[in-house]
Amino acid sequence: DIVMTQTPLSLSVTPGQPASISCKSSQSLMHSDGKTYLFWFLQKPGQPPQLLIYAVSNRLSAVPDRFSGSGSGTDFTLKISRVEAEDVGVYYCMQSIRRPLTFGGGTKVEIK
Amino acid sequence: EVQLVESGGDLVQPGGSLRLSCAASGFTFSSFWMSWVRQAPGKGLEWVANIQPDASEEYYVDSVKGRFTISRDNAKNSLYLQMNSLRAEDTAVYYCARYCTGDCLRRMDVWGQGTTVTVS
Repeated sequence: DIVMTQTPLSLSVTPGQPASISCKSSQSLMHSDGKTYLFWFLQKPGQPPQLLIYAVSNRLSAVPDRFSGSGSGTDFTLKISRVEAEDVGVYYCMQSIRRPLTFGGGTKVEIK
Repeated sequence: EVQLVESGGDLVQPGGSLRLSCAASGFTFSSFWMSWVRQAPGKGLEWVANIQPDASEEYYVDSVKGRFTISRDNAKNSLYLQMNSLRAEDTAVYYCARYCTGDCLRRMDVWGQGTTVTVS
């Protein structure tokens, strides 16, 4: 199984400041089709997860542009350029290149 | 509006059975893979199972193989999870999610609110 490792476990961020979350996979997530199957989700308190970014760096249309994803192979990063109060919650990375689909352990983002 | 609504969660004894349902609306259900994902209390997300649009293939995480069965009824726009031989470690919120493949690049882009299963 592909193991997804997220760091840090938690982040406390002052509003308006940037935040960065790392996700490392135990195997490359680049498929032979040239696509990389790495995704980022945010689970706000009391809510189901919501997809933020797909295929490493593609934001869903409703996701603010302060969120960006980058990386390749086995190393990936989610960045929030200026954290806002509504960004609190737990962020998860996930891979879907190979079954079983696996998630990272999560990074809890709080506001200072 | 694209929507998924789960139901069927309950308190069940170890060794018991439960059937979860997920009603889909707002999209062409029969065109999409579907998934179940669970979250144990205070824990992270765990993928449970996937099913192809025509139900010809199903896939499971090892921990539920032989005990859980994913199925669908495209005429009813519904997804199901039959859970047998339940264990305490199956206690979780169970989410159904649309798993969009092809041009969607295998993303879980629509999630339900979840239904709670407690095995005790």
